[in-house]
Amino acid sequence: QKEVEQNSGPLSVPEGAIASLNCTYSDRVSQSFFWYRQYSGKSPELIMSIYSNGDKEDGRFTAQLNKASQYVSLLIRDSQPSDSATYLCAVGGSNDMRFGAGTRLTVKP
Amino acid sequence: KAGVTQTPRYLIKTRGQQVTLSCSPISGHRSVSWYQQTPGQGLQFLFEYFSETQRNKGNFPGRFSGRQFSNSRSEMNVSTLELGDSALYLCASSRAGYNDEQYFGPGTRLTVT
Repeated sequence: QKEVEQNSGPLSVPEGAIASLNCTYSDRVSQSFFWYRQYSGKSPELIMSIYSNGDKEDGRFTAQLNKASQYVSLLIRDSQPSDSATYLCAVGGSNDMRFGAGTRLTVKP
Repeated sequence: KAGVTQTPRYLIKTRGQQVTLSCSPISGHRSVSWYQQTPGQGLQFLFEYFSETQRNKGNFPGRFSGRQFSNSRSEMNVSTLELGDSALYLCASSRAGYNDEQYFGPGTRLTVT
């Protein structure tokens, strides 16, 4: 079992729709949770950080964390073609940072 | 505020050689973490430095090492290069450590032939 798992892609949504990205993790003592966006050929770009249970909203992005279920998600509202990228879930533990394999999102005009 | 910078951006080396990569963090950031990204393994944590001390290390062989200077700039060294070391090497800086928000540099693309 991978330590950080993301829903397999690719994920395709029409412009203006809500894109839902999911991530589960295995280390119960994980402390920090992040979503990064990575365009092809570029380095990861931080979108959201979340540290406590519940929702955190920033513009069109909402991160949700449920530590009991070891689950973190990212919702992108009003998806735009410029949101087309690979989204990486990252989970910080006591010794290191673990990344999921990423979910490729395509937003079709 | 200037972002994280990495040099060189591209590098081609031969098996058995060694290589040194450099990373300059965002001003005021004391933590630098290094990652390896490959198509097969994804993003993997190499190590983290904070105030010139290595705080954490990932599951990589001892050929991978690093250091951090008093100005928070960091270097990563890979000795006795293997073909499998071909990857994108990314550094990320943060104020307090890898559990804090990290900002990535553009990366160094290393090709080992």
